[in-house]
Amino acid sequence: GESVGLHLPTLSVQEGDNSIINCAYSNSASDYFIWYKQESGKGPQFIIDIRSNMDKRQGQRVTVLLNKTVKHLSLQIAATQPGDSAVYFCAENMATSGTYKYIFGTGTRLKVLA
Amino acid sequence: GAGVSQSPSNKVTEKGKDVELRCDPISGHTALYWYRQSLGQGLEFLIYFQGNSAPDKSGLPSDRFSAERTGGSVSTLTIQRTQQEDSAVYLCASSLGVSQGGYGYTFGSGTRLTVV
Repeated sequence: GESVGLHLPTLSVQEGDNSIINCAYSNSASDYFIWYKQESGKGPQFIIDIRSNMDKRQGQRVTVLLNKTVKHLSLQIAATQPGDSAVYFCAENMATSGTYKYIFGTGTRLKVLA
Repeated sequence: GAGVSQSPSNKVTEKGKDVELRCDPISGHTALYWYRQSLGQGLEFLIYFQGNSAPDKSGLPSDRFSAERTGGSVSTLTIQRTQQEDSAVYLCASSLGVSQGGYGYTFGSGTRLTVV
C-alpha cells in the first residue's frame, strides 16, 4: 500500500503494551475533537471523539484525554495489536458557526512490534 | 453507496494538463469536503459543500483549483494547468449536515495524483 508520510513522528510499541499518542491543537475556541486512524492506502477512519465539556472519554480499547488548559489531546490504546499499526491524526473543529470544517494535525505513525 | 467512492484511485498527468477528480458521497449526506494530503503532511482543507449553501472555498490554494457539486450529490474537483507541487492524495469526505447532528466524516480512499 501507499505510505501516508515518510517524515511523520513515529511511535514504536511492543505488541500487548499500551500506546499513548499525543496531539497539540491550535485553537482554544475549538469545541469538538476527533481521532482518526489511517491505514496505508486508505482514507482516515473515525476512532473516537470528545467534546470540550469533557476531559475523558472511553471506547473499546481506546481512551481520549483532553486538557484544554494546555490545548492537548491524547489517545491511549490498550493492549496494542498489530492491526493498530497506522497513522493517527487528531482533528479539531474550529467552532465556526454552522460548519464542521476540521483542522487536522500532522499525524503520528504507530508501529507495533511483534 | 455504502461508502464514499472516489475515482480514479490513481492519476498520473503531465505538468500543465488539467485533471478532474470525482467523489460520490454516501447517499443522504448533505455535507461534502475535499482535503489534500501531501507526503509527510497532515490533511489540508480545500473546500466544503453544505446542502444548497454557497461552498466554503477558503482552503483552495490557487485559482487553478475549483470544485462543484451537482444535484447535491457527486462532486468534481478540477485542477487546471497542473504543477508538480499539486502531487498529493486528494481525499473526499461526507457527513450528515450540522442540522442533522452530523459530526464525524466518512472518508473515501482518495485519489493519488502524480504530476510529472
